[in-house]
Amino acid sequence: ELKVEQNPLFLSMQEGKNYTIYCNYSTTSDRLYWYRQDPGKSLESLFVLLSNGAVKQEGRLMASLDTKARLSTLHITAAVHDLSATYFCAGDDTGTASKLTFGTGTRLQVTL
Amino acid sequence: KAGVTQTPRYLIKTRGQQVTLSCSPISGHRSVSWYQQTPGQGLQFLFEYFSETQRNKGNFPGRFSGRQFSNSRSEMNVSTLELGDSALYLCASRRGLEVTEAFFGQGTRLTVV
Repeated sequence: ELKVEQNPLFLSMQEGKNYTIYCNYSTTSDRLYWYRQDPGKSLESLFVLLSNGAVKQEGRLMASLDTKARLSTLHITAAVHDLSATYFCAGDDTGTASKLTFGTGTRLQVTL
Repeated sequence: KAGVTQTPRYLIKTRGQQVTLSCSPISGHRSVSWYQQTPGQGLQFLFEYFSETQRNKGNFPGRFSGRQFSNSRSEMNVSTLELGDSALYLCASRRGLEVTEAFFGQGTRLTVV
C-alpha cells in the first residue's frame, strides 16, 4: 500500500526567503503530483512529475522527482505572500491519477 | 471551458439520514474519482468510476456508495450518516484511463449534526 509523507507540516517563512517542502513515498509510484489548496477551496493542480529526474518550474515554484530515492521536492524561491496556502503532494500506484494517495499537506504561511 | 461542478456546495444533515452528492466532470472527461477531506484523516480516496463502472475503491464502509451515468456525471451516496462523516467531499475528473492529470471540483461541505 502506497504511503506518502510530507514535511514539514507547517512552514512560516518571510517574504523573499527560500525553502523546500519534502515528499517521501513508500512504494513504487513513478508519478508524483503537487496540488495547492487555499482555505475553503478546492485543489489546484500545480505539477505532474512523470519520470525520474523530472523537474518542472512555474514562477517561484519548482518541483522535482527522484524515483530512486522515492523523494519529490517543492522548492519555493523568494517567497511572496500570495504563495500562502496548503501544498499537497500525491502519489499514484495505478499510473493513471485515478486513485491518488495524498500526503498530510504543508501549510505555508508567508509573512512580511 | 467549464470546470468540474459539484452540487450542492453546502449541506447540513442529521445523524441517521442519507445524502446524495453530485459531480459533473469537465466536458469530454469520462473518469470521476471521489475523495473525502477531514482535518483528522486528510484527503482519502473513496472510489473511481469510468464508463459507468467502478474501477477502484478505497477503504470506506459500505454506507458509502456511488454511481456514474452515461453522460459521465457521478453521484455518491452516504447512508445512515454519522457525525464522523462531516467532511469536504471532492470529486476529480480525468479525460480517460491513460491520462495522468486530475482536475478537482470545488467540493461539497457536508456537516452532520
